[in-house]
Amino acid sequence: EIVMTQSPATLSVSPGERATLSCRASQSVSSNLAWYQQKPGQAPRLLIYGASTRATGVPARFSGSGSGTEFTLTISSLQSEDFAVYYCQQYNTWPPLTFGGGTKVEIK
Amino acid sequence: EVQLVESGGGLVQPGGSLRLSCAASGFIFSTYAMNWVRQAPGKGLQWVSGISGSGYSTYYADSVKGRFTISRDNSKNTVYLQMNSLRAEDTAVYYCAKDRLGATGWFDSWGQGTLVTVSS
Repeated sequence: EIVMTQSPATLSVSPGERATLSCRASQSVSSNLAWYQQKPGQAPRLLIYGASTRATGVPARFSGSGSGTEFTLTISSLQSEDFAVYYCQQYNTWPPLTFGGGTKVEIK
Repeated sequence: EVQLVESGGGLVQPGGSLRLSCAASGFIFSTYAMNWVRQAPGKGLQWVSGISGSGYSTYYADSVKGRFTISRDNSKNTVYLQMNSLRAEDTAVYYCAKDRLGATGWFDSWGQGTLVTVSS
């Protein structure tokens, strides 16, 4: 099973600032990585797939990068609606599909 | 517009059974793999099970293998999760998630979830 590790667990950022979230895989997942956003009481929402392709309707301030075992989600200028929990997920080798533990982006 | 509506959650005693349903609309259901992903209270996401568009192929997490069964009825645009021998650690919100394509393993649409509580 591929273990996905996200850091940091919590990120405190001021509105308008840049946020950088990390995701590491225990073995290579190539570019088969997705990012999801989840707000309290809501279902997850797809942000990024293929490590760097934004899903339909996702603002350009969200960008993904990386391949192999190291990945990054960057939010260039945080808006109030971006404060949420973010999960990475690998789909290179499955079953099982595996998610990271999440990074909570909170208001500083 | 894609819609996924889960139902069937509730309170069940340890060792009991429950069947979850996910009614889909807004896309050609039989074309897409479907999955169940759960989230224990205050915890992260855990993939539970997936099924191909035809229903021929099914996949399970080790933690539920032998206890849970995924199935689908393409004539009703519905996917099911039969959960038997339930344990306290199965307590979670269960989300239905649509695969982007046949069975890529990533999810472009999610339902709002149904809560399953396993407790005596």
